[in-house]
Amino acid sequence: QKEVEQDPGPLSVPEGAIVSLNCTYSNSAFQYFMWYRQYSRKGPELLMYTYSSGNKEDGRFTAQVDKSSKYISLFIRDSQPSDSATYLCAMSAMSTNAGKAPFGDGTTLTVKP
Amino acid sequence: GAVVSQHPSRVICKSGTSVKIECRSLDFQATTMFWYRQFPKQSLMLMATSNEGSKATYEQGVEKDKFLINHASLTLSTLTVTSAHPEDSSFYICSATTGGNEQFFGPGTRLTVL
Repeated sequence: QKEVEQDPGPLSVPEGAIVSLNCTYSNSAFQYFMWYRQYSRKGPELLMYTYSSGNKEDGRFTAQVDKSSKYISLFIRDSQPSDSATYLCAMSAMSTNAGKAPFGDGTTLTVKP
Repeated sequence: GAVVSQHPSRVICKSGTSVKIECRSLDFQATTMFWYRQFPKQSLMLMATSNEGSKATYEQGVEKDKFLINHASLTLSTLTVTSAHPEDSSFYICSATTGGNEQFFGPGTRLTVL
């Protein structure tokens, strides 16, 4: 069993829709949760970085962590065609564990105009 | 923001040749750099961890003699794929960190070995 599971999609939505992207994990020690966006043929870029349970909002993006369920979500409001990309979750048990944080396989999102 | 560059962005080479990929942190000093490879429609697979002035730490299953890593300074790490073969064709991505969980990724290098 993988440490991090992520539905690969693909997910296709119309412009303006609310998008929900999810990951589940098995290691209860994970406390730091990251969401990355990766455009085709590009490196990932960090979108959201959260610690422990709760919500974090940044513009149209909201990251949600439910540690009791070992489940994290990324919500995108008013989705735009420019949001079309692959979204990767990653998580870590330590604050200084970059690189060792396992990634999900990524969910490919297409927002149609 | 933190910017990481990679060079070249794309390389095509013949089987048996060696290819060097550079990763630079442009506006910050990176305590650690990481090298990943990514196959189509798959996630990032960590290959090795690189610290300035010390030997790289390779993940299980990654041949250190095939994937040579040199970390010359706090802003530059290089990955050399030696005696490349078609199965080495992939997207190679580096990242850099200043010590926390946040990684800043380069744009990637697409290697095609004929």
